[in-house]
Amino acid sequence: NAGVTQTPKFQVLKTGQSMTLQCAQDMNHNSMYWYRQDPGMGLRLIYYSASEGTTDKGEVPNGYNVSRLNKREFSLRLESAAPSQTSVYFCATAIGTATNEKLFFGSGTQLSVL
Amino acid sequence: AQSVTQLGSHVSVSEGALVLLRCNYSSSVPPYLFWYVQYPNQGLQLLLKYTSAATLVKGINGFEAEFKKSETSFHLTKPSAHMSDAAEYFCAVSHTGGFKTIFGAGTRLFVKA
Repeated sequence: NAGVTQTPKFQVLKTGQSMTLQCAQDMNHNSMYWYRQDPGMGLRLIYYSASEGTTDKGEVPNGYNVSRLNKREFSLRLESAAPSQTSVYFCATAIGTATNEKLFFGSGTQLSVL
Repeated sequence: AQSVTQLGSHVSVSEGALVLLRCNYSSSVPPYLFWYVQYPNQGLQLLLKYTSAATLVKGINGFEAEFKKSETSFHLTKPSAHMSDAAEYFCAVSHTGGFKTIFGAGTRLFVKA
């Protein structure tokens, strides 16, 4: 049982390049999230999807787009990467949308933008 | 709006000593509170969560946390630190009016032999 799988694990981009971070889950969870982790700032929510077919902005959505392709997959796209987007990106899922539910995390994607 | 403040970005303890990681929250309504742990090169995993059933919450690996409404605190403790406890710990609160989780900045725990 893989849980939450993120690809790639590492990526180096040049400023202006585009790329898509992939996230897939096999837990049949409804809600999915993208966070970025920066030193001293904890995790900040970029986008989330409460269910298949819906997406919403989080705290720091600028420069990103998302697609909830189906119940299993939630991708994050950087159309024109900037050095400020250098970060570790985590995908997370939860069973539903209740406020007391725990999150299940992938192992992260370390992205460097030069 | 809800928020979380973790006091101390780094905490160092000796093996066998008490671990105390501090977390204060801000919330206009009764919150749901969580502690997550992140080991090197891994994603976060849940240590414990408070959902109003009991103020003292026991989690995995011997950790526990006490919800104190009067102090708006949810500090994490462990009586005796082990080398394997070295990790980064995040306090989190669920967002009002929805289901988004807000994280603190994290506290890195170092355990000395």
